[in-house]
Amino acid sequence: NAGVTQTPKFQVLKTGQSMTLQCAQDMNHNSMYWYRQDPGMGLRLIYYSASEGTTDKGEVPNGYNVSRLNKREFSLRLESAAPSQTSVYFCASSPLPGQGVTEAFFGQGTRLTVV
Amino acid sequence: GENVEQHPSTLSVQEGDSAVIKCTYSDSASNYFPWYKQELGKRPQLIIDIRSNVGEKKDQRIAVTLNKTAKHFSLHITETQPEDSAVYFCAAILSGYSTLTFGKGTMLLVSP
Repeated sequence: NAGVTQTPKFQVLKTGQSMTLQCAQDMNHNSMYWYRQDPGMGLRLIYYSASEGTTDKGEVPNGYNVSRLNKREFSLRLESAAPSQTSVYFCASSPLPGQGVTEAFFGQGTRLTVV
Repeated sequence: GENVEQHPSTLSVQEGDSAVIKCTYSDSASNYFPWYKQELGKRPQLIIDIRSNVGEKKDQRIAVTLNKTAKHFSLHITETQPEDSAVYFCAAILSGYSTLTFGKGTMLLVSP
């Protein structure tokens, strides 16, 4: 059981380049999320998808787009990377939106550097 | 929206001592409060959680307390060990919503 799988693990981009971070979960979870983690800032929500077919902005959505491709996959796209987007990105999933036990399972993270 | 404040940002203790991390939340409707542990270079993982209908929950050396009136909850680690060294995040979630709001984290250092 792989859980939540993110690719790539590391990436270096030049300013202005684009890229897509991929995330897939095999736990049949409804909800998926993208967070960024910066020193001293905790985990900040970029976008989330409460269920297949829906996406919503989180706390820091500017400069990002997402696609919930199907129930398993949720991708994050940087259209024109900026140095301020240098961060560690985590994908996560949870069973149900805001009901009952909502443990979030995290992927292993993507360390992105924009130069 | 929900806002979660976490203190302290860093905490250093000697092995065997207790450690306490505190969080406050803003929305009285929040009803689920998990704690995550993140070891260096690893992903966050759930270590304990509590719901708003419970005042305290314990799992071996780890306990969480919740004070709904004051809107704060705390993580207690007893008999700390060097392997407890990590960043700990508290979080809160509103019933009916699907997103966790995290605190900024506490780096716990346990010295042998």
